[in-house]
Amino acid sequence: GAGVSQSPRYKVAKRGQDVALRCDPISGHVSLFWYQQALGQGPEFLTYFQNEAQLDKSGLPSDRFFAERPEGSVSTLKIQRTQQEDSAVYLCASSPEGVGDTQYFGPGTRLTVL
Amino acid sequence: GENVEQHPSTLSVQEGDSAVIKCTYSDSASNYFPWYKQELGKRPQLIIDIRSNVGEKKDQRIAVTLNKTAKHFSLHITETQPEDSAVYFCAASIGPGANNLFFGTGTRLTVIP
Repeated sequence: GAGVSQSPRYKVAKRGQDVALRCDPISGHVSLFWYQQALGQGPEFLTYFQNEAQLDKSGLPSDRFFAERPEGSVSTLKIQRTQQEDSAVYLCASSPEGVGDTQYFGPGTRLTVL
Repeated sequence: GENVEQHPSTLSVQEGDSAVIKCTYSDSASNYFPWYKQELGKRPQLIIDIRSNVGEKKDQRIAVTLNKTAKHFSLHITETQPEDSAVYFCAASIGPGANNLFFGTGTRLTVIP
């Protein structure tokens, strides 16, 4: 079946622009995660949804970052007034349900802020 | 929160040799430890995982060991092949109710033909 997909794959934004990154999880997966991966680093947790409920947003670096999953399926990560330090790969992962379930990652969106 | 450290950051081995990557974690509540392989520009892919009620798990050429007392876990790849070359990440998850993964900083493995 189809894996996790993300769009766009690449995004270039001028500093100060708003961006929206989309994640389509595996159909039926309850949990959805967003991670930020800086160059040469491991992914860092941003936020977590269980169905439509955002249960943990402790990793969001500032109030410029906002995520939603209104119908419990597709999720959007929005970054307002982008800054150069926001440049990174944004990874989405989904898992069926439950604690410690396997997380399946999407290909990521590479965001470059000029 | 959880802190995962990973060593070495780079590792070169001859084809056919074994490779070992080690990770430590800080929070004794962590109970799930996956390993991901990430090729350049690609998504992280799960290669093996272990839960805290198990000490060792093996899948063909790949094995993972867990020492809960010492809070460390290791990835072992035997009979390495050039296609094993990639960046490997260990991770830990604290549960229940906190599924997010805490990742190590990665190990770049190069298998020399």
